[in-house]
Amino acid sequence: GQQVMQIPQYQHVQEGEDFTTYCNSSTTLSNIQWYKQRPGGHPVFLIQLVKSGEVKKQKRLTFQFGEAKKNSSLHITATQTTDVGTYFCAGGAGSYQLTFGKGTKLSVIP
Amino acid sequence: ETGVTQTPRHLVMGMTNKKSLKCEQHLGHNAMYWYKQSAKKPLELMFVYSLEERVENNSVPSRFSPECPNSSHLFLHLHTLQPEDSALYLCASSPAVGGHNEQFFGPGTRLTVL
Repeated sequence: GQQVMQIPQYQHVQEGEDFTTYCNSSTTLSNIQWYKQRPGGHPVFLIQLVKSGEVKKQKRLTFQFGEAKKNSSLHITATQTTDVGTYFCAGGAGSYQLTFGKGTKLSVIP
Repeated sequence: ETGVTQTPRHLVMGMTNKKSLKCEQHLGHNAMYWYKQSAKKPLELMFVYSLEERVENNSVPSRFSPECPNSSHLFLHLHTLQPEDSALYLCASSPAVGGHNEQFFGPGTRLTVL
């Protein structure tokens, strides 16, 4: 079955440093979504990418979808304490479901 | 503020108990989902409903029994659970089924099985 791998599992950064999490699928995806889950909270949708090589930005967050539609990344520039949480990628492959990665837990040291 | 509510928020139950989790969405969506979130594991999809019809059942043990009486409500009936079933159970909804639809999650029910 489809698998989505996400690395790293944990990342500790000093406030102001950049952060990147990577997502790799075992199969070609039709789309990829990114979610953020704050500590004690629930996943909240951030963005969806559907086109090969697509890049989208949301303020300090940059999302990329690979040319082969098998990988994606989320980059945060100049992290802030409000960025703390777990970031999940989720791949869609034309079925009913999204396949979620294990997530990257981001800690930001003030 | 989430358009998906879940009750109870916390539940402690013994292995012989029977309990139910409730989810309600106020977004007018046609698809609803149950997920299990355990430590160090990815979100595990348990059930998918489209317009009250179950469309996916990911090999979930029969001690978990879903019910979808209408497109706004989803239940998860629990009986004779095991300690390894302790987890955060998340309900989600989306406008329609399909991996291209944004999913809206509820706050979850933190379940502890003693």
